[in-house]
Amino acid sequence: AQSVTQPDIHITVSEGASLELRCNYSYGATPYLFWYVQSPGQGLQLLLKYFSGDTLVQGIKGFEAEFKRSQSSFNLRKPSVHWSDAAEYFCAVGAYGGSQGNLIFGKGTKLSVKP
Amino acid sequence: GAGVSQTPSNKVTEKGKYVELRCDPISGHTALYWYRQSLGQGPEFLIYFQGTGAADDSGLPNDRFFAVRPEGSVSTLKIQRTERGDSAVYLCASSQGTGLRSRETQYFGPGTRLLVL
Repeated sequence: AQSVTQPDIHITVSEGASLELRCNYSYGATPYLFWYVQSPGQGLQLLLKYFSGDTLVQGIKGFEAEFKRSQSSFNLRKPSVHWSDAAEYFCAVGAYGGSQGNLIFGKGTKLSVKP
Repeated sequence: GAGVSQTPSNKVTEKGKYVELRCDPISGHTALYWYRQSLGQGPEFLIYFQGTGAADDSGLPNDRFFAVRPEGSVSTLKIQRTERGDSAVYLCASSQGTGLRSRETQYFGPGTRLLVL
């Protein structure tokens, strides 16, 4: 069965520091991968997605993610974190085939930013 | 509208009561999804509509839950005989529904926070 693991429940970084949020997936074929961000009281907002091609994907707000098939990973990165990046981040895989197409989410990583 | 909207934003009810949660998708989006997000968890799929029909309801936890989308736009998630364990944020998402569904971006609403006392 497909699954997504986000090993870090909570991460704290200093403003201006770099960030990497980990995501591992379990899927039998090439997955479609997504990162969403959820701020308090807000809906999930798509940061970036990977379908095929270049394994380094650029997203909004200065985020990028790299798909590594050998490691079944799709880690999210940002070179310099801003205080407004404090939120919860969810990695998701979109299964395909048959009637599937629903997103399977990880449990999320909460990001706190220190001034 | 500009985005997916959900009403109410918060709903408090008593155990055993019936509740309805409404979702207005982005105009023109034919695919609509319901997810449930419990505290400390990621969203979990409940049901997917393509147009007016429920194409996949495999995520509905039991027969107390059902959803409709009679005109292919607005959807209502209905929960009968609510239980305390139903307390969660119920998220609605929509996508264009015209291509390979797994590749489509799903746009999420802000959710309805349901509390069952």
